[in-house]
Amino acid sequence: DSGVTQTPKHLITATGQRVTLRCSPRSGDLSVYWYQQSLDQGLQFLIQYYNGEERAKGNILERFSAQQFPDLHSELNLSSLELGDSALYFCASTWGLAGSGELFFGEGSRLTVL
Amino acid sequence: DQQVKQNSPSLSVQEGRISILNCDYTNSMFDYFLWYKKYPAEGPTFLISISSIKDKNEDGRFTVFLNKSAKHLSLHIVPSQPGDSAVYFCAATYSGGSYIPTFGRGTSLIVHP
Repeated sequence: DSGVTQTPKHLITATGQRVTLRCSPRSGDLSVYWYQQSLDQGLQFLIQYYNGEERAKGNILERFSAQQFPDLHSELNLSSLELGDSALYFCASTWGLAGSGELFFGEGSRLTVL
Repeated sequence: DQQVKQNSPSLSVQEGRISILNCDYTNSMFDYFLWYKKYPAEGPTFLISISSIKDKNEDGRFTVFLNKSAKHLSLHIVPSQPGDSAVYFCAATYSGGSYIPTFGRGTSLIVHP
């Protein structure tokens, strides 16, 4: 158990809809990262927040947005969903700004868009 | 443009033998490399890392080798055990940047009893 909690674990929705994925980082961790893993793809970095502020952006679509709240939990919002958005979405956390790259990952949220 | 490449999607090995997982990178700015292991229905977990100032790092049955001139690293597991069956992700970061790791696509290792 990494200490990172993601909900929901599974989500099935239709094209055009909007969903919100939630992440609670490890106790004491200030930094949250979102990654997407599509079929046969590696982990694609989406976005990082540190203590409530956006710190880095990766390959995140404009239809996607995220935020980190004062209690340090984070939400990833995916809107106007397309079939290609079906993927595993991982949240990870670290105390600082990724340090040496050793991240603690949650179990992921599997999104299926029909 | 994939900066971290794992060209073998899968690898099958007999229990007790050596498993060698390979990884290539293209960005010469990378100076810290990591391997993560992922079991089904779980998130990736950190396994072992190596800094670019070294060419080898050992941790029990796991050894990572780095060849900077070839931009290549490998993970050796000796001896392999059935519990090592998982997907292994190679990742790289650079100290002058945000340290956010760039991952490869992963190699699925199956260790047969």
